Amino acid sequence: GAVVSQHPSWVICKSGTSVKIECRSLDFQATTMFWYRQFPKQSLMLMATSNEGSKATYEQGVEKDKFLINHASLTLSTLTVTSAHPEDSSFYICSARDLDRTGELFFGEGSRLTVL
Amino acid sequence: ELKVEQNPLFLSMQEGKNYTIYCNYSTTSDRLYWYRQDPGKSLESLFVLLSNGAVKQEGRLMASLDTKARLSTLHITAAVHDLSATYFCAVVRNNNDMRFGAGTRLTVKP
Repeated sequence: GAVVSQHPSWVICKSGTSVKIECRSLDFQATTMFWYRQFPKQSLMLMATSNEGSKATYEQGVEKDKFLINHASLTLSTLTVTSAHPEDSSFYICSARDLDRTGELFFGEGSRLTVL
Repeated sequence: ELKVEQNPLFLSMQEGKNYTIYCNYSTTSDRLYWYRQDPGKSLESLFVLLSNGAVKQEGRLMASLDTKARLSTLHITAAVHDLSATYFCAVVRNNNDMRFGAGTRLTVKP
């Protein structure tokens, strides 16, 4: 089946630094990818919709300058957490839509960010 | 605004027993998903339900959809320990807007 790969799986960084997370669709092209954040024991919250070749659409309350999203190709979207702080520590999950398979959504493995 | 409510949030049950998890949503939707999540892992797709009356079964899990009632159920039959996980329903509207329920944390005890 379709595979969506995230990298890195987990990352620990110091407060104030920036961290980039990649989301790749390995065997299909994805014009739209989605970024979610999940805090411990909570559900997934949609952060933004990443559109290939255009600006991302952010959900209310999500800071655009804090969470930079770039969708430069049909198989890659990146999420950069800028000037990370401990409250940004979370599990970040991406998903990608395979338009050739009735728009089915496939999820990445997730990236766990810990900010010290 | 699309809202998705799951019930119950926590569920502890004995092996061999049956139970149903409910997922209510507030507006019309394009499709409904059920996912499983193990601790520290991402989501595993269980079912996609597309139309009213849809019923899908895989092993001890069966999902159904009633679009008129805006209700989906995930029924667990003769639970086993391996089913212990968190289960999420998610509803898609306008082909892009996907909202998750709060999740049901299931623990199956021997």
